[in-house]
Amino acid sequence: SYVLTQPPSVSVAPGKTARITCGGNNIGSKSVHWYQQKPGQAPVLVIYYDSDRPSGIPERFSGSNSGNTATLTISRVEAGDEADYYCQVWDSSSDRVVFGGGTKLTVL
Amino acid sequence: EVQLVESGGGLVQPGGSLRLSCAASGFTFSSYWMHWVRQAPGKGLVWVSRINSDGSSTSYADSVKGRFTISRDNAKNTLYLQMNSLRAEDTAVYYCARAGYDAAFYMDVWGKGTTVTVSS
Repeated sequence: SYVLTQPPSVSVAPGKTARITCGGNNIGSKSVHWYQQKPGQAPVLVIYYDSDRPSGIPERFSGSNSGNTATLTISRVEAGDEADYYCQVWDSSSDRVVFGGGTKLTVL
Repeated sequence: EVQLVESGGGLVQPGGSLRLSCAASGFTFSSYWMHWVRQAPGKGLVWVSRINSDGSSTSYADSVKGRFTISRDNAKNTLYLQMNSLRAEDTAVYYCARAGYDAAFYMDVWGKGTTVTVSS
């Protein structure tokens, strides 16, 4: 089965840029989606189809995907961005949805 | 307002059954694929199951296949998850989520979740 690997944690100072990676075999050939989840809340879609932003998501959130790594980039990080972030793909070979293990973003 | 509201969670003994419901409103439910996703306490998101717009096609995670059944009633704008032979490891918050437009495999609307606890 397809596996997505994320770092357990990323720390960044306010105003700096955070990069959260999502590794998978030839992930560049798949569409990657990203979710933000704050404690006690449901997940929120922040990036879909590698780099598209839903309405209401700040332009500070961007995404890229190539080779074996997809990346969620958060520019000018704010305290309110502190959350868990999950990447997700659809594995067409098994017709199953796969989530990464999640990354806890800490704003220092 | 687009909304998903889950219900039906609770405490159940190992080996027992439970049926979760997800009431949809604010959009044309019958046009969208739907998913169930769960999250064990302190753990990450895990996909459980999905169903296409008319209910004719379903898919399941290996961990629940043969025990859980996803279904929908488009006349009632409701998604279901029938859970049988429950195990302690099924303990989690269960979210229903709407798939993106045109059967896309991202989830753009989520409910607040319902908690299932499997324990004796």
